[in-house]
Formats: sequence, C-alpha cells, structure tokens
Amino acid sequence: AQSVTQLDSQVPVFEEAPVELRCNYSSSVSVYLFWYVQYPNQGLQLLLKYLSGSTLVKGINGFEAEFNKSQTSFHLRKPSVHISDTAEYFCAVTEQGAQKLVFGQGTRLTINP
Amino acid sequence: GAVVSQHPSWVICKSGTSVKIECRSLDFQATTMFWYRQFPKQSLMLMATSNEGSKATYEQGVEKDKFLINHASLTLSTLTVTSAHPEDSSFYICSARDWGGGALGYGYTFGSGTRLTVV
Repeated sequence: AQSVTQLDSQVPVFEEAPVELRCNYSSSVSVYLFWYVQYPNQGLQLLLKYLSGSTLVKGINGFEAEFNKSQTSFHLRKPSVHISDTAEYFCAVTEQGAQKLVFGQGTRLTINP
Repeated sequence: GAVVSQHPSWVICKSGTSVKIECRSLDFQATTMFWYRQFPKQSLMLMATSNEGSKATYEQGVEKDKFLINHASLTLSTLTVTSAHPEDSSFYICSARDWGGGALGYGYTFGSGTRLTVV
C-alpha cells in the first residue's frame, strides 16, 4: 500500500526567500502525485500534480515540484515566497488504478516579514 | 476547471440530532466521491469512499450507522451524521474524482469543508 511522508511539520521562512517542502512516498507500482494547499477553515486547493511526462511540474502561485522516481520524492519549491503563502501544504499520492488518495501529515509554512 | 460545492460551510447542532452535509460536483460527473474528517492541525482522515449507485466503502474504525453516506446521482453525495455528539465535532471535507477516461482527467477536487460543532 502506498504511503506519504512529509519530512517537516513546520517550515518558517522569511518573505522573498526560497522554500522547499519535502515529500517522500512509498509504493510498489506507478503513482500519481499531488500537492495541495489549505488555508484556515477551507478545503484543499490543488497546486500541481504529476501524472506522467516531464518530471518538473509547474503549478499555480509560482510553485513547482520535481518527481524523482529513484528517490521516491516529490518536493515542492518556490523561489520567492510571499506572506500570502502562509498555509498548510499537503502532499498526496494515489497508485495508478486505485481510488484512494493518501495524504502526508502536512507541512505548515509560515512566512515571516 | 472542476468545482465541488459543499454545504453548509458551518453548522451547530444539539447533541442527539442529525446533520446532513451535501457535496455537489458542479461541472463534471463524479463517479467516485470521498469523505474526509480533519482534526485541528492534523491531516485528512479518509472516512469512506462512495461510488454512484452503490453502497459506500467505509474505512476501518468508521461507524457506518453513525456516518451515513448516500451517492444517489453522479453529481451529489451526502454525509449524514446521525445522533451527533460533541466528539463528532470536526471539519468534514468531501472530494470528487473524475478521471475523464484517462490520466489527463481532473483528478481529485475538494469541497470547501464543513465545520460541525455539536453542543
């Protein structure tokens, strides 16, 4: 069964600094990978997804992620963060042919001025 | 893009009463819908998976009789919390899936969530 590990529960960053949120997954078959953002008291908004093709995926709000099959990772990056990026970020995986989406524990990104 | 509408966004109910939460896919047909529960500062916990026209599949430890799920059409799924108690207070989120016949489908789209408070 697939699983997801987000290595950092909290990441504090200064405004305009770069950030990387780490995500590793475990699966014995091919997977689809997702990053979602959640603002307080709201649902999840899709940032980006990897289904196939290019391993570098660009998403909304200036985020991008790189799928690394050999390291089973899908780290999220942004070159320059803004105060408005303060939120909870979730990495998720589903195995091809499966229904369930499995979530990581989440990473709280806090942007300091 | 795909939109999932979830209502109500928040609800307060008395202990012992039942509450229904609706999840609608607005611009696509959702063959599969999911219901999650989220505790403060925690990740999403999958409660059940529902496929249109069939019974929901509940995750281990989720009470089927307490959390009734109905997926009667391709655009609507409902979660009813029966005989609610304070420990059922939580943030409930629905999600709909539509692969569109291939890997380039919408994927998983989430509702805005429902904050349930049982007093």
